[in-house]
Amino acid sequence: NAGVTQTPKFQVLKTGQSMTLQCAQDMNHEYMSWYRQDPGMGLRLIHYSVGAGITDQGEVPNGYNVSRSTTEDFPLRLLSAAPSQTSVYFCASSYMNPGLAGGQTQYFGPGTRLLVL
Amino acid sequence: AQKVTQAQTEISVVEKEDVTLDCVYETRDTTYYLFWYKQPPSGELVFLIRRNSFDEQNEISGRYSWNFQKSTSSFNFTITASQVVDSAVYFCALSEANFGNEKLTFGTGTRLTIIP
Repeated sequence: NAGVTQTPKFQVLKTGQSMTLQCAQDMNHEYMSWYRQDPGMGLRLIHYSVGAGITDQGEVPNGYNVSRSTTEDFPLRLLSAAPSQTSVYFCASSYMNPGLAGGQTQYFGPGTRLLVL
Repeated sequence: AQKVTQAQTEISVVEKEDVTLDCVYETRDTTYYLFWYKQPPSGELVFLIRRNSFDEQNEISGRYSWNFQKSTSSFNFTITASQVVDSAVYFCALSEANFGNEKLTFGTGTRLTIIP
């Protein structure tokens, strides 16, 4: 059981380049999400998904796209990288218990460190 | 809007001392969930505890204990007899009862350094 995996671990991009951060989980979790971590700001939600085919925006979605074609995978796409997107990106997943409104424990991947020059 | 405040940016203590990390939260919901995560120097986020708003019992797990007080909107974390392996950044987080969105609102974290 690998849990939540993310690739790559580290990436350097030039301004304007595009790339996809990969996230996969093998726990059959319905809910998956992407956060970015910046110094002094904690973690902020970018996008989330409650199941295959369903995605929605979080707190800081601009400049990022997501899709969820399978339960296991939730890739994050940077369409045209900017220096402001230099950050550490975390993917997380959790169950969604239909009998419980929110509050599920989220399990995080190891993170992807992105540097945009 | 929900908010989590961790006023202590950095704390340093000598090994074997006790240390308390403070967490104060704001929410309009009556049902909500509080979490603590640990981020060691290796960078991953490790889940420590989850507590719902209806359970105000303090919890102890080994050297770790948590004090939840709704009257002061606080969820403080105490490490007893600290060890060097406790050195990490600790995040407090809040999730409101909003089915369909498990969004976590994080505090800015407290960097704890245990001095051998």
